[in-house]
Amino acid sequence: DQQVKQNSPSLSVQEGRISILNCDYTNSMFDYFLWYKKYPAEGPTFLISISSIKDKNEDGRFTVFLNKSAKHLSLHIVPSQPGDSAVYFCAADGNNYQLIWGAGTKLIIKP
Amino acid sequence: DAGITQSPRYKITETGRQVTLMCHQTWSHSYMFWYRQDLGHGLRLIYYSAAADITDKGEVPDGYVVSRSKTENFPLTLESATRSQTSVYFCASSAQVYEQYFGPGTRLTVT
Repeated sequence: DQQVKQNSPSLSVQEGRISILNCDYTNSMFDYFLWYKKYPAEGPTFLISISSIKDKNEDGRFTVFLNKSAKHLSLHIVPSQPGDSAVYFCAADGNNYQLIWGAGTKLIIKP
Repeated sequence: DAGITQSPRYKITETGRQVTLMCHQTWSHSYMFWYRQDLGHGLRLIYYSAAADITDKGEVPDGYVVSRSKTENFPLTLESATRSQTSVYFCASSAQVYEQYFGPGTRLTVT
């Protein structure tokens, strides 16, 4: 039973446009969410996070939105750049120090 | 070098062999984690450690053993490797659990 779902395995976006990556979760007890970015042959790197007491968190070109009633979060990247091409994982805080991870979405930025 | 390192980066072994994957971090982070990443799955936690000499099971601990005698090292041992343990293994460390810093990964193939 996947508690964190990223339903789009891949997403292709034109350079300069907005990229929107989506993530759904099932456990209403989650209260902290994170996005990580992963390049091939590297480990994931932390990108941005949001607490459940907020509905938005912004860091430069990256904004994460949280809709608790829909159990949905999204990552917006504006404007998209070629270096943003990577796999993006969303994760939620589970019990006992565990992060619950989605399967990832591969973002491809087209020039 | 500062950061988190894993060795070896690539390993091929035979079924039934014992294999140890090494992880070393230079930040003195309290928390360390071992994950495996398989196609179609997010990262799945194998074991984690909140401090030296304190370890606990994650989601998929069977067939793995860990130890943490020093804060900076967190080796993962496959006692008797099986083909189902073919995967990419990531080690991570963190000062505050959720914002984790990952190593580059070890690609393990069990034949």
